[in-house]
Amino acid sequence: DVKVTQSSRYLVKRTGEKVFLECVQDMDHENMFWYRQDPGLGLRLIYFSYDVKMKEKGDIPEGYSVSREKKERFSLILESASTNQTSMYLCASSSYRGNANTGELFFGEGSRLTVL
Amino acid sequence: AQSVTQLGSHVSVSEGALVLLRCNYSSSVPPYLFWYVQYPNQGLQLLLKYTSAATLVKGINGFEAEFKKSETSFHLTKPSAHMSDAAEYFCAVSEGGGYNKLIFGAGTRLAVHP
Repeated sequence: DVKVTQSSRYLVKRTGEKVFLECVQDMDHENMFWYRQDPGLGLRLIYFSYDVKMKEKGDIPEGYSVSREKKERFSLILESASTNQTSMYLCASSSYRGNANTGELFFGEGSRLTVL
Repeated sequence: AQSVTQLGSHVSVSEGALVLLRCNYSSSVPPYLFWYVQYPNQGLQLLLKYTSAATLVKGINGFEAEFKKSETSFHLTKPSAHMSDAAEYFCAVSEGGGYNKLIFGAGTRLAVHP
């Protein structure tokens, strides 16, 4: 069974702390994504990566950075957490198939972050 | 630019009634379209997808959706709601190819009451 695993389901952090959210996929997918989910706003793309050490900004990258040192692992970093980053964070992966790529994503179970 | 509009942030139906969740999209090229479901405190799970084959797409759990190019719609239906269908549903669009990304709608929360 294919799987995207997010290391922490629930985190509580304080304002100003550095936060790491880890994501691992076992499907040998080239593409990995971090989304943020907020009520009424759906999913918004923070960053994505299409290869090891490669990253691209999504729609809301401010206040976040990412790291992809290995193909299976994609980390989201909040350098200095703020209360407006309290949210559900979803990691996803997809396979690169060139023009045959439909964009279908496989999701992890999410990490709910609360910043106090 | 692609976009997705889901009409109705909350939909409530009785058990056994028809479920209809609406999705309209905009895309400059023939799109790929998806419906995902999210149960409480879980990630998103693919319900069904349209990838330019049959316009009526059948998915898991008895759901289906019809791609209507003239209406730029991809509404999700199920003939008879079950209590276990209570969840949040997201419509998404992509233009395919390469490093393309999915663009999601804001979601529709479905409540099913006895």
